[in-house]
Amino acid sequence: DGGITQSPKYLFRKEGQNVTLSCEQNLNHDAMYWYRQDPGQGLRLIYYSQIVNDFQKGDIAEGYSVSREKKESFPLTVTSAQKNPTAFYLCASSSRGTGAASPLHFGNGTRLTVT
Amino acid sequence: AQKVTQAQTEISVVEKEDVTLDCVYETRDTTYYLFWYKQPPSGELVFLIRRNSFDEQNEISGRYSWNFQKSTSSFNFTITASQVVDSAVYFCALSERADKLIFGTGTRLQVFP
Repeated sequence: DGGITQSPKYLFRKEGQNVTLSCEQNLNHDAMYWYRQDPGQGLRLIYYSQIVNDFQKGDIAEGYSVSREKKESFPLTVTSAQKNPTAFYLCASSSRGTGAASPLHFGNGTRLTVT
Repeated sequence: AQKVTQAQTEISVVEKEDVTLDCVYETRDTTYYLFWYKQPPSGELVFLIRRNSFDEQNEISGRYSWNFQKSTSSFNFTITASQVVDSAVYFCALSERADKLIFGTGTRLQVFP
């Protein structure tokens, strides 16, 4: 079955360390997204990519970096510059149609805890 | 600027009760898309419905129904005869340019047996 795989499900890191969250999709979708979820704040967009080798900052990109070297992969690095990295991170993808907003397909998320 | 407001933080009902989740949006565009997603305890968001700004017809899917009213900028979601399996966080979202979604803060629904 096609879908989005995020790994690991739980991740623990010490403050000051960079950490990379994996996101892989086999849906043949062009667009991929990273959202951060905090209690009471809903989902906020970190980065998104509409095509390979191209990506744009979302609303809260500071302290994060991404790459899109392959269509199926969109890893997110949480750097030591991110002041409050502990959160639930969700990866999503969508097909790109002729202008209509396509529904997002989400992974199961990675819960990152930084101490 | 676009914005989505879900004023209800948490709702608790008893099984078989009807429940309505409110969603109010702000946008300057005439073309936009509205969505509802469900997030069960497993964490993965599940797409429920998409509605474009030119289609104000209400939608019914089984026990779920959606009421889209442009005059009040609202896109409310009603669950009829709620069940324990409906317990989840529900998100309303808005897309103006078909490239990214802006989410509301979510409404946590708890359905008790």
